[in-house]
Amino acid sequence: DAGVIQSPRHEVTEMGQEVTLRCKPISGHNSLFWYRQTMMRGLELLIYFNNNVPIDDSGMPEDRFSAKMPNASFSTLKIQPSEPRDSAVYFCASSFRQVKNIQYFGAGTRLSVL
Amino acid sequence: SQQGEEDPQALSIQEGENATMNCSYKTSINNLQWYRQNSGRGLVHLILIRSNEREKHSGRLRVTLDTSKKSSSLLITASRAADTASYFCATGNRDDKIIFGKGTRLHILP
Repeated sequence: DAGVIQSPRHEVTEMGQEVTLRCKPISGHNSLFWYRQTMMRGLELLIYFNNNVPIDDSGMPEDRFSAKMPNASFSTLKIQPSEPRDSAVYFCASSFRQVKNIQYFGAGTRLSVL
Repeated sequence: SQQGEEDPQALSIQEGENATMNCSYKTSINNLQWYRQNSGRGLVHLILIRSNEREKHSGRLRVTLDTSKKSSSLLITASRAADTASYFCATGNRDDKIIFGKGTRLHILP
């Protein structure tokens, strides 16, 4: 199995631009999570989906952030407009609900907003 | 918000020594997990201990859980250079999400 696949691995953009991060979960997993990691705040859960339905988006910082999961094999996290304080590493993770709580992480997307 | 808090924040030990990291949390849990993160990589699940368990082993890893003190410890025996990484505890409850602490950075000295 290829594991959780995230793209791009690195993204450098200018303030005000739209950024789209992509995630392909492990086949057969039915929960998907988006996290943001910074030195100051650690690893924060932004949003998670069960069976493609958003369950908890209370961690999404503000309306500039949105996430979708149109099908079981693809999810996006979009930031528009981006700001320098959005610079962080964004991780996607997936899990199989029947093996509760154990999550498998992608390699992350390092976002730099200039 | 963080549920788990790891202690110490950073730890350096000689190769071959044992490394102990601690995690404290605030509310009741169903389970507690430990994850490892190598530099520039995603997190990797190491071990899960349920709230009705007190100790669990996996290879060179030993995890304990004390629900009365709301704390857990991760012991890595006979450390190796490859164990250099950050280690995170994460608490889980009835829903599907887990809450991570800020981690302990472990450095194994040759």
